[in-house]
Amino acid sequence: AQSVAQPEDQVNVAEGNPLTVKCTYSVSGNPYLFWYVQYPNRGLQFLLKYITGDNLVKGSYGFEAEFNKSQTSFHLKKPSALVSDSALYFCAVRDNTGRRALTFGSGTRLQVQP
Amino acid sequence: NAGVMQNPRHLVRRRGQEARLRCSPMKGHSHVYWYRQLPEEGLKFMVYLQKENIIDESGMPKERFSAEFPKEGPSILRIQQVVRGDSAAYFCASSAPGLQETQYFGPGTRLLVL
Repeated sequence: AQSVAQPEDQVNVAEGNPLTVKCTYSVSGNPYLFWYVQYPNRGLQFLLKYITGDNLVKGSYGFEAEFNKSQTSFHLKKPSALVSDSALYFCAVRDNTGRRALTFGSGTRLQVQP
Repeated sequence: NAGVMQNPRHLVRRRGQEARLRCSPMKGHSHVYWYRQLPEEGLKFMVYLQKENIIDESGMPKERFSAEFPKEGPSILRIQQVVRGDSAAYFCASSAPGLQETQYFGPGTRLLVL
């Protein structure tokens, strides 16, 4: 069975500082990894994904994530946080066998203070 | 290019009534997925459909829930005889056919059962 852990319910960071939102995963075989962001009463917006290749993945709005196979992690990062980045962030995983269902973490609320 | 469309955005039902949730995938997408999000939780996979076929329904409750994606028209998630525990946000996602394709989410339908 596959699983995702987001160990922090909330991350607080000052505007202009770097941010990291943590994600670790468990999956059989090679993982496909995703980050989504959810604003209040909205659907999920896709940020970035790792399928194969370069371990550092760049996505929308200046976000990036680093795939670390040995630590089974896929942490989301941004060099300089904006107040508008405040939202709920979800990490998701699926395997590469053809089963399409995404398994989501419980989410991390990012609060960026002005 | 319109995104994934869901309607209604909000639905109120009394216990015992039926709820019908509709999802129109993005243009060019032939794969549809339904997920459920309980308050303050991550999304849980329910079902994966292609046109006229249910591919994976491993996340669907065994009773009262059904889904379809007909040859013409939107995908429908149907909940019969709703109970208070069915109150949640139901999200539809769609993707292109390729194995590595991203799932893009709609704005969700928030179901409240009184």
